[in-house]
Amino acid sequence: GAGVSQTPSNKVTEKGKYVELRCDPISGHTALYWYRQSLGQGPEFLIYFQGTGAADDSGLPNDRFFAVRPEGSVSTLKIQRTERGDSAVYLCASSPSTRGGEQFFGPGTRLTVL
Amino acid sequence: QKEVEQNSGPLSVPEGAIASLNCTYSDRVSQSFFWYRQYSGKSPELIMSIYSNGDKEDGRFTAQLNKASQYVSLLIRDSQPSDSATYLCAGMSYNNNDMRFGAGTRLTVKP
Repeated sequence: GAGVSQTPSNKVTEKGKYVELRCDPISGHTALYWYRQSLGQGPEFLIYFQGTGAADDSGLPNDRFFAVRPEGSVSTLKIQRTERGDSAVYLCASSPSTRGGEQFFGPGTRLTVL
Repeated sequence: QKEVEQNSGPLSVPEGAIASLNCTYSDRVSQSFFWYRQYSGKSPELIMSIYSNGDKEDGRFTAQLNKASQYVSLLIRDSQPSDSATYLCAGMSYNNNDMRFGAGTRLTVKP
């Protein structure tokens, strides 16, 4: 079946602009995760959804970052007033488990803030 | 101590050899562990998961977990050039809400 999909694959924006990144998880997966990966580093946790609710948003770096999953499937990560330090690959993963199970990653969105 | 630590390498092995990748973890990581392979410019791909002490084998891959030593490893037998990638070790956070990743070990398998 189809894997996790993310759009856009690349996003270039200017400092101060607003961006939205979209994730479509594997069908039937209740858990959805957002991570951010910088060059030479492992993915860094941002937020975890179980169904429609954000079960853990402790990884969001500040209040410019926000994510939603209104119908328990597709999720959108929103970044306001982008900064150059936000440049990274944003990865989405989904899991069929409620907690602690295997996670399957999408292809990522490469965000570049000029 | 970082939650999950890996030797960043790079690690180079000849084709056909065994590649050994190692990872240690702190008390802030729970007892579920995962190995991901990441090719350059691509996203992480799950290779193995391991939840219990001991060895778990899947084809050419063997994951080993030693909870007493807080140590996880991945062995790749009969290494192939196509195995050349960065290998990420990950453990579930203490509350099982997310994965904590090491920085990855870059493996090169030389023909």
